[in-house]
Amino acid sequence: NAGVTQTPKFQVLKTGQSMTLQCAQDMNHEYMSWYRQDPGMGLRLIHYSVGAGITDQGEVPNGYNVSRSTTEDFPLRLLSAAPSQTSVYFCASSYSGGGADEQFFGPGTRLTVL
Amino acid sequence: GNSVTQMEGPVTLSEEAFLTINCTYTATGYPSLFWYVQYPGEGLQLLLKATKADDKGSNKGFEATYRKETTSFHLEKGSVQVSDSAVYFCALSDLASYDKVIFGPGTSLSVIP
Repeated sequence: NAGVTQTPKFQVLKTGQSMTLQCAQDMNHEYMSWYRQDPGMGLRLIHYSVGAGITDQGEVPNGYNVSRSTTEDFPLRLLSAAPSQTSVYFCASSYSGGGADEQFFGPGTRLTVL
Repeated sequence: GNSVTQMEGPVTLSEEAFLTINCTYTATGYPSLFWYVQYPGEGLQLLLKATKADDKGSNKGFEATYRKETTSFHLEKGSVQVSDSAVYFCALSDLASYDKVIFGPGTSLSVIP
């Protein structure tokens, strides 16, 4: 089991560029989510999905898009990068998203927007 | 809405010292409570959890008890090691909030020999 994988590990963008952060899991988890981690603010939920074809917004969704065409993959798209999106991004998955389920995290993508 | 508050860090302790990291929460329903740990350069991983009042979660010498009356879930360890140096996140998950997990800001712990 690879668990949750994320690519790339590091990325530098210029303001206005677009890109996609990839996330995949091989545990057949229904629930997947994207967080951003900023100093002093912990993790903030960007978007989440409770199953293939179903997505919803989290706490800080502006500037990001997601889709979930398969159970395994949950890419995060930055439409027009801004310096405020400089952050570390984590993808996570859990079996059902139910209240007691453990979340499994990927290793993160460190993004810098110039 | 739901929220989690943690003690501010960073916390620096000597090896074998006693550790307490305070965590309090606000929730409208009956949340499950978690402690996650993030080692340098890695993603978060579950340390322990408790799903109902008075439950005690434990793992790797760490413990936390779900206290509904004080809305708290403080993390403790009797004797820390250098390898415990990491960032610790308190979190809650409440079915009433569409299963979204809410994280605290994290507490950085450094253990010195």
